[in-house]
Amino acid sequence: GAGVSQSPRYKVAKRGQDVALRCDPISGHVSLFWYQQALGQGPEFLTYFQNEAQLDKSGLPSDRFFAERPEGSVSTLKIQRTQQEDSAVYLCATRPRGADGNEQFFGPGTRLTVL
Amino acid sequence: AQSVTQLDSHVSVSEGTPVLLRCNYSSSYSPSLFWYVQHPNKGLQLLLKYTSAATLVKGINGFEAEFKKSETSFHLTKPSAHMSDAAEYFCVAGGYNKLIFGAGTRLAVHP
Repeated sequence: GAGVSQSPRYKVAKRGQDVALRCDPISGHVSLFWYQQALGQGPEFLTYFQNEAQLDKSGLPSDRFFAERPEGSVSTLKIQRTQQEDSAVYLCATRPRGADGNEQFFGPGTRLTVL
Repeated sequence: AQSVTQLDSHVSVSEGTPVLLRCNYSSSYSPSLFWYVQHPNKGLQLLLKYTSAATLVKGINGFEAEFKKSETSFHLTKPSAHMSDAAEYFCVAGGYNKLIFGAGTRLAVHP
């Protein structure tokens, strides 16, 4: 059984470029989450989808960040006009319906470096 | 609002000695609590979870944690450290919409 996969695993962008990060969830998992993990820190919540509906985007740091999940499966996190402070590991996590204790399953992350 | 505090940023132990990683939480209700481990260049892996059943929770690889409501603590322990335990450990509080992570504790295990 495949886990959560993310691509690319590593991304280097020049300041001002747009980037798109992809998350492929575990099949059948209805909830999908994005987190940002800065160097030496714990992950911080960005946004949450249930199926295709984005129910919480309170963690997105600015309007340069945009996430979508149009068919309730694959999700894309887009960052426009990247800045150096956007450098971090971006983690995707998914959760099946009725998960015991709200456990989430994490992908390996995409490490974004903005030069 | 929920918050999680990991009391030690770094812990160093000798192989074969006990491990204690400390975590305190703050929540207006009884939360779900987790410990996740992150090895270098690997994804976050669930070690164990507390969901208001037994207060002593056993996880993978010999780890366990005890939920103490009176102390608002959820410390992680292991009787005997192994070299392969060296990693970053996160204490996490879980709500329906999001997980709240502590800052992490880096565990070093030396021979």
